[in-house]
Amino acid sequence: DSGVTQTPKHLITATGQRVTLRCSPRSGDLSVYWYQQSLDQGLQFLIQYYNGEERAKGNILERFSAQQFPDLHSELNLSSLELGDSALYFCASSVVGTSSYNEQFFGPGTRLTVL
Amino acid sequence: GNSVTQMEGPVTLSEEAFLTINCTYTATGYPSLFWYVQYPGEGLQLLLKATKADDKGSNKGFEATYRKETTSFHLEKGSVQVSDSAVYFCALSPNQAGTALIFGKGTTLSVSS
Repeated sequence: DSGVTQTPKHLITATGQRVTLRCSPRSGDLSVYWYQQSLDQGLQFLIQYYNGEERAKGNILERFSAQQFPDLHSELNLSSLELGDSALYFCASSVVGTSSYNEQFFGPGTRLTVL
Repeated sequence: GNSVTQMEGPVTLSEEAFLTINCTYTATGYPSLFWYVQYPGEGLQLLLKATKADDKGSNKGFEATYRKETTSFHLEKGSVQVSDSAVYFCALSPNQAGTALIFGKGTTLSVSS
C-alpha cells in the first residue's frame, strides 16, 4: 500500500459526459501528479499540483482540468468524454524539497471506460 | 528533450532463468533513474532507484546500475520466479525537484514454471 488513495476504482460512462476522479496523496506529500495510461500512448504525464497551485502541465487536453484543495487532495475533471479517453488514470504524490531526488508514490488508479 | 527507451516485450522466461530488460535514456544534466513494476490489476510500485552515476539500485533480487557513459539503466535478476510476472517501467526524473516522471513504454515479463 503506497498510501495514495484514488476513487472510484472503476468508472463507466457515455460519450459526451463529464466525470471527476479523486486522489488523496500520502500524508505529508505536497505534490500531486496525474498520469494517463493507455495501450497506445503508454504512461503520459497530464498535470502536476504543488501545495494547491498548478506546477506543470504535460499532455493534458483542454477538455480536462484539475485542482488541488487546501487539504491537498486533488480532483481530475474530464469533460465531453470521447471513446479515446478510456484509460487508466493514476495519481502519484511526492515530497518536494530541496533534494533533486523525486520518488513518486502511485495510487491504484481509476479505470475509465467511455461507451 | 528527455526520453526513455526500453526493450520491447513481451519477455517470456522459465522459472529460475536470468532476466535482463534494457533501458536507455536521453536527458540533460544528471537525472534520477527508476524502475517501477505494475502487477496485473494494480498500480505502479517503485522497484528500485539510483540518483547518480555508478549507483546500483537493488530490491527483491533485482538490480540496475546507473551508467552515465552508456546512458543506460538495465534491469537484471539472476533467477526469476513466476511471481515476477508483471509489466516493468523504466523512468527518469530530470534533475529538478518535483518534476514529473518520464516513462518508457513498459516491458511485459511472463515467467512460467
